[in-house]
Amino acid sequence: GAGVSQSPSNKVTEKGKDVELRCDPISGHTALYWYRQSLGQGLEFLIYFQGNSAPDKSGLPSDRFSAERTGGSVSTLTIQRTQQEDSAVYLCASSFDGTGVYEQYFGPGTRLTVT
Amino acid sequence: GDSVTQMEGPVTLSEEAFLTINCTYTATGYPSLFWYVQYPGEGLQLLLKATKADDKGSNKGFEATYRKETTSFHLEKGSVQVSDSAVYFCALSHQGAQKLVFGQGTRLTINP
Repeated sequence: GAGVSQSPSNKVTEKGKDVELRCDPISGHTALYWYRQSLGQGLEFLIYFQGNSAPDKSGLPSDRFSAERTGGSVSTLTIQRTQQEDSAVYLCASSFDGTGVYEQYFGPGTRLTVT
Repeated sequence: GDSVTQMEGPVTLSEEAFLTINCTYTATGYPSLFWYVQYPGEGLQLLLKATKADDKGSNKGFEATYRKETTSFHLEKGSVQVSDSAVYFCALSHQGAQKLVFGQGTRLTINP
């Protein structure tokens, strides 16, 4: 079956603009995760969804970052008023549930460049 | 908080060499431990995992043993191939905490 998909694959934006990144998880996976991969910080957790709720938002770096998930499926990560330090690869992952027992499957990522 | 430390890269080896990539962790309780691999141009994939002390995870000739006494989960392979060239990430998670905590990654290059 299809894996986790993310769009766009690349996004270049000007500092101060808002961006939306999309994640389509594997069908039937109730848990969804966002991570960020950057040169300076490595791979960092951002937020975790179980269904449509987000019990763990502890990794969101500032209130410019928000995410939602609708219908227990697609998720959107929004970054408002982008800054150059937001440049990174944003990875989405999904798993069958959020117990930690099941593997997280990662998407190919969205490379965000803020100029 | 939890953290994972991997050996500094990049690592360059010749084909058929023995590989060790060191990984140590700091965490409360009994986390699950993972190795993920990122091949060039591809997404992160789970390579192997271990969920309790003394467990050995293995896949594609790679092995790692969960050592609680040394808080380590070193990745080993007896004979590497060019196709093993990738970035390797050690990670941990707590059951019930869901999120993965990653090490900084080790870039491995295998020369023919």
